[in-house]
Amino acid sequence: NAGVTQTPKFQVLKTGQSMTLQCAQDMNHEYMSWYRQDPGMGLRLIHYSVGAGITDQGEVPNGYNVSRSTTEDFPLRLLSAAPSQTSVYFCASSYQGCYTFGSGTRLTVV
Amino acid sequence: GEDVEQSLFLSVREGDSSVINCTYTDSSSTYLYWYKQEPGAGLQLLTYIFSNMDMKQDQRLTVLLNKKDKHLSLRIADTQTGDSAIYFCADDRGSTLGRLYFGRGTQLTVWP
Repeated sequence: NAGVTQTPKFQVLKTGQSMTLQCAQDMNHEYMSWYRQDPGMGLRLIHYSVGAGITDQGEVPNGYNVSRSTTEDFPLRLLSAAPSQTSVYFCASSYQGCYTFGSGTRLTVV
Repeated sequence: GEDVEQSLFLSVREGDSSVINCTYTDSSSTYLYWYKQEPGAGLQLLTYIFSNMDMKQDQRLTVLLNKKDKHLSLRIADTQTGDSAIYFCADDRGSTLGRLYFGRGTQLTVWP
């Protein structure tokens, strides 16, 4: 039982490049969410999903897109990376108040 | 996460108790959580409390919830150097939609 798997673990992008952070869970959880963690800021909610085909914005959605075509996968897309998006990104899935977090993706935009 | 507030730093001596405090603003919160994060690592769920409880104990950890004052605390008994980490308080704001709101974290340093 892998839980929540995030790939890649590390990524360096140039300003203006695009990329997709992958998140997959094998627990059949309906709810999934993305967070970013910046030093001294805690985790902030980017986007979340309550099921396949349904997504919504969190606290800091600008610059990010998401989709949820299957229950298992919830990718986060950066269309045009900016240095302000340098952060550690965490994906989570949940069921009845029980949250499982992935190990994170450390993204640097230069 | 401005609606969840924590003090940023706490230093204690090994063997003492640590108390980390958190305040939140949403009175509809259903669950409140404490997570631990060690350097370069992900989030580890330490414990959580349901909003209709006022205390929960789990080995060295005691969570106290004052719903009237919207105050949550985490007490770690017999604190060890391995407890040095950042501790995050999080609440769900009463949402059943699978999203959490975090405080900025409290850096706990344990001195031998």
